[in-house]
Amino acid sequence: QVHLQESGPGLVRPSETLSLSCSVSGGSVSTNYWSWVRQPPGKGLEWLGYIYHTGNTNYNPSLKSRLTISIDTSKNHFSLNLTSATAADTALYFCARGGDLKVTSRLFDSWGQGTLVTVSS
Amino acid sequence: DIQMTQSPSTLSASIGDTVTITCRASQSITKWLAWYQQKPGRAPNLLIYMASSLQSGVPSRFSGSGSGTEFTLTISALQPDDFATYYCQQYASDAGTFGQGTKVEIK
Repeated sequence: QVHLQESGPGLVRPSETLSLSCSVSGGSVSTNYWSWVRQPPGKGLEWLGYIYHTGNTNYNPSLKSRLTISIDTSKNHFSLNLTSATAADTALYFCARGGDLKVTSRLFDSWGQGTLVTVSS
Repeated sequence: DIQMTQSPSTLSASIGDTVTITCRASQSITKWLAWYQQKPGRAPNLLIYMASSLQSGVPSRFSGSGSGTEFTLTISALQPDDFATYYCQQYASDAGTFGQGTKVEIK
């Protein structure tokens, strides 16, 4: 059974870059689509973007100018970089596995436990 | 972007009740709809995909229906473990938008 684990700083200063990594075990990042989803405290879920092992990415238009998702197949992990962080980026960040076809790329059957990132000075 | 609207926002029910949650899409998504259950501080858990297909390991008291723009999630014979927040999600378009959630609480 695939297991996903997020890691990264819990506190980011405003205007700095929010960087997270998702380590995958029990499965390979060379199959399926891999996404980041976030949830501000007390609010709903927002899909941020996905990556495929070929490096093909797709981002939520609302974040496209600030977001980069990358993948390292040799280390079996993928990462998120969100530039110019503001308080509005404070959220629980999840990494998630999508399907292995583009049509199911945003259908998430496995999730990490989530990591809380606070943007504050 | 396709907008997803759930109703109600909160639902109070008792053990053994049958409850129904509705999700409406701002445009047709055929059957590209999923339902997730989320408990506080935990990751969402996939319950239903393709509007009505039950994810492996999910109890059969969960069922989904609908197509186009209107969908429902039904939980039959509510169990204590079912009190949680439920989200619909469309995966027909790039943004993969979620509904705002429906909290099922104990009456």
